[in-house]
Amino acid sequence: GENVEQHPSTLSVQEGDSAVIKCTYSDSASNYFPWYKQELGKRPQLIIDIRSNVGEKKDQRIAVTLNKTAKHFSLHITETQPEDSAVYFCAASNGWKAAGNKLTFGGGTRVLVKP
Amino acid sequence: GAVVSQHPSWVICKSGTSVKIECRSLDFQATTMFWYRQFPKQSLMLMATSNEGSKATYEQGVEKDKFLINHASLTLSTLTVTSAHPEDSSFYICSASLRGGPTDTQYFGPGTRLTVL
Repeated sequence: GENVEQHPSTLSVQEGDSAVIKCTYSDSASNYFPWYKQELGKRPQLIIDIRSNVGEKKDQRIAVTLNKTAKHFSLHITETQPEDSAVYFCAASNGWKAAGNKLTFGGGTRVLVKP
Repeated sequence: GAVVSQHPSWVICKSGTSVKIECRSLDFQATTMFWYRQFPKQSLMLMATSNEGSKATYEQGVEKDKFLINHASLTLSTLTVTSAHPEDSSFYICSASLRGGPTDTQYFGPGTRLTVL
């Protein structure tokens, strides 16, 4: 089955700096890669996702890049703000099956943005 | 749109009792619902996948007789933890895929914190 590795496990940045989180996956059939933000005791919130037919996607201060050949994808947060502090999870799925598709999650990255 | 609710948000029970957790898609019909378990400071671990009217598909190592899943309609799935023990204490989160939408996009419920004494 799919295995997703996420690094780093913790990341401390100064407000205004950029944060980068990297994930690798093992199943070459995976074609959907979402990123979730989870605040303490809350639900994971989808912040951005990318499909395998796209190499990069951006939404304001957040961007995701995908390298299918190397089987890794990354989350980039620019101009970080204290409210960006949370745990971020990457995930992978081999989507589009009628029965619904399992997401395999990375181990998570705890991001702390220092004012 | 695509709001998922869970009930209860937290529950404390005695060892040996059974606890039922509900997961509802409030403003959409869910093709598939998923149940996850999350221990403190850890990632989400998929327990099972359920489709309306079908038996749930459990992940390896998850006891189906221990964690009963019923997917009665396109908007409701329930997870029953039977004969709960302290090691079952965890944060249980459901998610749902939007019917008619990309089948791989999942929307998560707020989670249920179970504490077994």
